[in-house]
Amino acid sequence: NAGVTQTPKFHILKTGQSMTLQCAQDMNHGYLSWYRQDPGMGLRRIHYSVAAGITDKGEVPDGYNVSRSNTEDFPLRLESAAPSQTSVYFCASNDRTYNEQFFGPGTRLTVL
Amino acid sequence: GENVEQHPSTLSVQEGDSAVIKCTYSDSASNYFPWYKQELGKRPQLIIDIRSNVGEKKDQRIAVTLNKTAKHFSLHITETQPEDSAVYFCAAINSGNTPLVFGKGTRLSVIA
Repeated sequence: NAGVTQTPKFHILKTGQSMTLQCAQDMNHGYLSWYRQDPGMGLRRIHYSVAAGITDKGEVPDGYNVSRSNTEDFPLRLESAAPSQTSVYFCASNDRTYNEQFFGPGTRLTVL
Repeated sequence: GENVEQHPSTLSVQEGDSAVIKCTYSDSASNYFPWYKQELGKRPQLIIDIRSNVGEKKDQRIAVTLNKTAKHFSLHITETQPEDSAVYFCAAINSGNTPLVFGKGTRLSVIA
């Protein structure tokens, strides 16, 4: 099992550009979450999904969109990037009955 | 919803000393309390967790204690080593269709 994978590892965007951060898991987990991590701010949840077709907002959802068409994939879309979205993004999955969250390796995004 | 407070935000200890990190939570229905360790440039990884039917759990040099009445739980690291230097996150959840709520993290530095 690869666990949770994320692509890309690094990316630089210009203000106003769009991009999609990819997240995939092969553990048949129902729960998927996107977090952003900024210095001194800990892990803040952006969006999460409890099952395919179901998504919900986290603490900091503005400027981000998600979709969940199947169990494995949970892409995060930035429609019009802003410098405030410069951050490290983590995707994480967990099984409902055993709550350990497995994190992906992260994507370091810089918006200029 | 759940709110998790974590203290201190930074902690420096001499190698061989003990380190204690404390978290409080607000939702009395929370029943799962994990601790994650994040080394520099890496993803967070689970190091120990405790469920509400247990008061203390140990795994070699690390232990977690839970006081449900006071709604707080703590991570104890004994005989600290330089490789314990990392950011530690506590979290809490009321199992069900709700996501984990993380504290803001503690940066532990073990000085040789």
